[in-house]
Amino acid sequence: GQQLNQSPQSMFIQEGEDVSMNCTSSSIFNTWLWYKQEPGEGPVLLIALYKAGELTSNGRLTAQFGITRKDSFLNISASIPSDVGIYFCAGQRSGGSNYKLTFGKGTLLTVNP
Amino acid sequence: GAGVSQSPSNKVTEKGKDVELRCDPISGHTALYWYRQSLGQGLEFLIYFQGNSAPDKSGLPSDRFSAERTGGSVSTLTIQRTQQEDSAVYLCASSLEQGAGYTFGSGTRLTVV
Repeated sequence: GQQLNQSPQSMFIQEGEDVSMNCTSSSIFNTWLWYKQEPGEGPVLLIALYKAGELTSNGRLTAQFGITRKDSFLNISASIPSDVGIYFCAGQRSGGSNYKLTFGKGTLLTVNP
Repeated sequence: GAGVSQSPSNKVTEKGKDVELRCDPISGHTALYWYRQSLGQGLEFLIYFQGNSAPDKSGLPSDRFSAERTGGSVSTLTIQRTQQEDSAVYLCASSLEQGAGYTFGSGTRLTVV
């Protein structure tokens, strides 16, 4: 099935640095979602974006819904050790198929204290 | 319950055996979803339930895979004659209504040896 193109695959950063990751798609989505998954757990929703061009923040996290509706990025500022995990983007369509999320392959984030 | 509960959390099985994976959604959530997460991959949609019906089972990889939901609550994913390529984490999620606010369980890690 279709997957989103998510980059980078992995990042190794120092505590305090900022992080940026993004997702692109060949087709349009009506909603973009960003999830974080920690070892042995399911993904947890961080930010949801519902409108093209929308910029949304949640604490140190900021995400944007691209104008073309085919991309999104997530920024984490001033990283801390507990930011470690896998970050996934997901696209969702509206209407009858809105139950299905299409996921990227994830960005593995490692933060060195 | 307070969250989505999956059991077992880990399952090791011999090739050719059948396995059953269980999901207890959040009480009152009408929609239930199964996804599969293979190593280094994003989440792959398997099946969606609305109540006890499965309007979309298009993601099931083969006829060895089946799922049911009873009483609008618990769901069971069954894999018959398991193969090594079935090894993955199987994640269940539920939402109050179709497409709205997924909550994921912690998953079942299946290893076929």
